[in-house]
Amino acid sequence: AQSVTQPDIHITVSEGASLELRCNYSYGATPYLFWYVQSPGQGLQLLLKYFSGDTLVQGIKGFEAEFKRSQSSFNLRKPSVHWSDAAEYFCAVPSTGRRALTFGSGTRLQVQP
Amino acid sequence: EAQVTQNPRYLITVTGKKLTVTCSQNMNHEYMSWYRQDPGLGLRQIYYSMNVEVTDKGDVPEGYKVSRKEKRNFPLILESPSPNQTSLYFCASSLQASGGAASTDTQYFGPGTRLTVL
Repeated sequence: AQSVTQPDIHITVSEGASLELRCNYSYGATPYLFWYVQSPGQGLQLLLKYFSGDTLVQGIKGFEAEFKRSQSSFNLRKPSVHWSDAAEYFCAVPSTGRRALTFGSGTRLQVQP
Repeated sequence: EAQVTQNPRYLITVTGKKLTVTCSQNMNHEYMSWYRQDPGLGLRQIYYSMNVEVTDKGDVPEGYKVSRKEKRNFPLILESPSPNQTSLYFCASSLQASGGAASTDTQYFGPGTRLTVL
């Protein structure tokens, strides 16, 4: 069954530093991959998604993610973090047989001034 | 403004007292879904609906009911809530329910309903 693993529960970075959030997937075929962000007290918002083609995907808010089939990874990156990026980030893949998403357990990002 | 709305946003109730959490979307989406979010578990799907009068179970349907009488609304019903249903609930919708198994549609999420069952 398809699944995603986010190895880091909690990450703290300084404002202006670079960021990489890890996501490893298990998927039978060519994967569709998503990153969502949940700001405090808010619902989830799509940051970016990968279906096929270029392995480097650009998203909103200056985020990007790189699909690496050899490593089964889809890590999220941002070159310079802003305090407003403090949130929880979820990687997701489609569930089999129904229009749902299987989410990772999330990574909470804290940004230090 | 295109959005998914949920009500109430916060609810504290007692064991066994029936409750309904409403969800409405104004984007004419066919697909709607309910998730619950628990610490360390991410989001898990409870029920989903491919269109009016078409609903099906997700990963964790026990103790929940849903209905889809209109395209825009997808209420979540807890007939007899229990403390293990204390959670953060999200409604989501996406444009089309047709197609293959892999979903490519963006799902739009409501702001969440924090439910506490005492």
